[in-house]
Amino acid sequence: GENVEQHPSTLSVQEGDSAVIKCTYSDSASNYFPWYKQELGKRPQLIIDIRSNVGEKKDQRIAVTLNKTAKHFSLHITETQPEDSAVYFCAASRPGDYKLSFGAGTTVTVRA
Amino acid sequence: DAGVIQSPRHEVTEMGQEVTLRCKPISGHNSLFWYRQTMMRGLELLIYFNNNVPIDDSGMPEDRFSAKMPNASFSTLKIQPSEPRDSAVYFCASGLGETQYFGPGTRLLVL
Repeated sequence: GENVEQHPSTLSVQEGDSAVIKCTYSDSASNYFPWYKQELGKRPQLIIDIRSNVGEKKDQRIAVTLNKTAKHFSLHITETQPEDSAVYFCAASRPGDYKLSFGAGTTVTVRA
Repeated sequence: DAGVIQSPRHEVTEMGQEVTLRCKPISGHNSLFWYRQTMMRGLELLIYFNNNVPIDDSGMPEDRFSAKMPNASFSTLKIQPSEPRDSAVYFCASGLGETQYFGPGTRLLVL
């Protein structure tokens, strides 16, 4: 099955700086890559997703890039704010397979 | 627009008791997922349904766990008998195509 690895496991950034989280996947057939944000004690919330026919997608301060050749995708958060502090999960799925394979998560702390 | 609804939100029970977790997916969604989250094991998929039919239950830990989806608007996850190692947050997620939306979770503590 699909194996998703996520790095780093923890990330501390100064408010206003950028944060980058990288994930690699094993199955070249995977074509859907969502990112979830989970605040302490809350549910994972979908914040952005990308499909394999697109190389980059942006939504305000967050962006995701996909490199199909290298089988990796990354989340970029610019101008970080304290409310960006959370655990971020990447995931991947294959065509026709509704299962998501999740990375282990990255705990992001934004220092004021 | 109502999101995924789960009940109860918190459950404390004693070892050996039966626990039933409930989920109401988003109307119009055709897939439903049950996950378990712990610090040690992260987010684990237990089972998922598509059009009310169980598709993959390979993540169900053992026979003590069972899940049903009798109709498009309701699913249950049952643990019988419960054990302390079942303590976790159980999330239900509702999906349309690949996109999944999580419910608020049920925090289960088995004493």
